[in-house]
Amino acid sequence: GAVVSQHPSRVICKSGTSVKIECRSLDFQATTMFWYRQFPKQSLMLMATSNEGSKATYEQGVEKDKFLINHASLTLSTLTVTSAHPEDSSFYICSATPDGQETQYFGPGTRLLVL
Amino acid sequence: QKEVEQNSGPLSVPEGAIASLNCTYSDRVSQSFFWYRQYSGKSPELIMSIYSNGDKEDGRFTAQLNKASQYVSLLIRDSQPSDSATYLCAVRESNDYKLSFGAGTTVTVRA
Repeated sequence: GAVVSQHPSRVICKSGTSVKIECRSLDFQATTMFWYRQFPKQSLMLMATSNEGSKATYEQGVEKDKFLINHASLTLSTLTVTSAHPEDSSFYICSATPDGQETQYFGPGTRLLVL
Repeated sequence: QKEVEQNSGPLSVPEGAIASLNCTYSDRVSQSFFWYRQYSGKSPELIMSIYSNGDKEDGRFTAQLNKASQYVSLLIRDSQPSDSATYLCAVRESNDYKLSFGAGTTVTVRA
């Protein structure tokens, strides 16, 4: 149980385009999901908390208009990187917490390369 | 600001030895503690969670929590080459779903 999937696993795009990443909880409902970014040899950096049915909560320094988050259902959250630039190239990882539990389970991650 | 600090690595241990990982946290109201393992190029996977003072054992892994000292540790017994990874300590405050992560300790098990 507690499986989280992400799609796509890897994406290459041109500078200025937008990229959407999906995060799904496969066998549980998750009112709350999280989006992280990880640069090489660095730890996880929380970008935002995604809340089903309400607006996402962004961490300080994360541009909400650039990283659009939509938590459309209890099993799906999406992150859209708008007008991507090479500095947005990173490993994006989502996590989800089953309702009523405390543990965060991570998706496999999406590696984004912006050319 | 919540801080989570882990002992700096890398930590190299011979196969079969015990690997000891330490983590301290700054927020006294923290209630939930987690250890995640992250292989290179992969996302973190949960190893252990611990909520009460004392030891918690799961197979070759033992987590130890001391809230008075704001300290949590992870012991890996009979270390195997497959244990070579970065281990992340994560702390959750009781009124917040967010996790604060340490920078991680990279463990290398020598065959």
